[in-house]
Amino acid sequence: DQQVKQNSPSLSVQEGRISILNCDYTNSMFDYFLWYKKYPAEGPTFLISISSIKDKNEDGRFTVFLNKSAKHLSLHIVPSQPGDSAVYFCAAELGSGNTGKLIFGQGTTLQVKP
Amino acid sequence: GAGVSQSPSNKVTEKGKDVELRCDPISGHTALYWYRQSLGQGLEFLIYFQGNSAPDKSGLPSDRFSAERTGESVSTLTIQRTQQEDSAVYLCASRPAPPGRLNEQFFGPGTRLTVL
Repeated sequence: DQQVKQNSPSLSVQEGRISILNCDYTNSMFDYFLWYKKYPAEGPTFLISISSIKDKNEDGRFTVFLNKSAKHLSLHIVPSQPGDSAVYFCAAELGSGNTGKLIFGQGTTLQVKP
Repeated sequence: GAGVSQSPSNKVTEKGKDVELRCDPISGHTALYWYRQSLGQGLEFLIYFQGNSAPDKSGLPSDRFSAERTGESVSTLTIQRTQQEDSAVYLCASRPAPPGRLNEQFFGPGTRLTVL
């Protein structure tokens, strides 16, 4: 039972263009969502997050959009840079009082071509 | 360094052997998590420690898996009688306080376990 799904295993974009990574979830009790980036042989690093009370959060080139009715979120990277090439994981956290454990998607490998 | 460290970085073992994986969290981080990433899969939650509270073991896949943590420091994940399906990258993460909205988890580089 995959509660967090990233249906696109890979994405390739040209440098300078927009990258859009998508994530769907099934559990309406999730109230906090995060994106992590992972380079080979390294652990995931936190990128950006969004609370379920918001529909958008922006940090520099990275913007996360949340559509609660559709149980869908997306990460936009603009402009994309070759250094953004990595695996991106979407993660969700259950509500307050929970342990903070994260439920991860399968990841999307982004390749940004120079 | 100030980050989460894990050892060994790679471990190859034979089916049926026991293995022990180690995690050193960031100093002062009270919460510690273990996850694993199997080939082509996302990260799967295994176990969570918070201070002196009883750990959340809800993600451990079988009773061959166990973990300990000494206070708010080092944690070890032990897999007994390893099976080939245990092959994965085992990741440890720490968090500075009980769940707060801005406290993301900081991950170590992982231990790649291969069971032959």
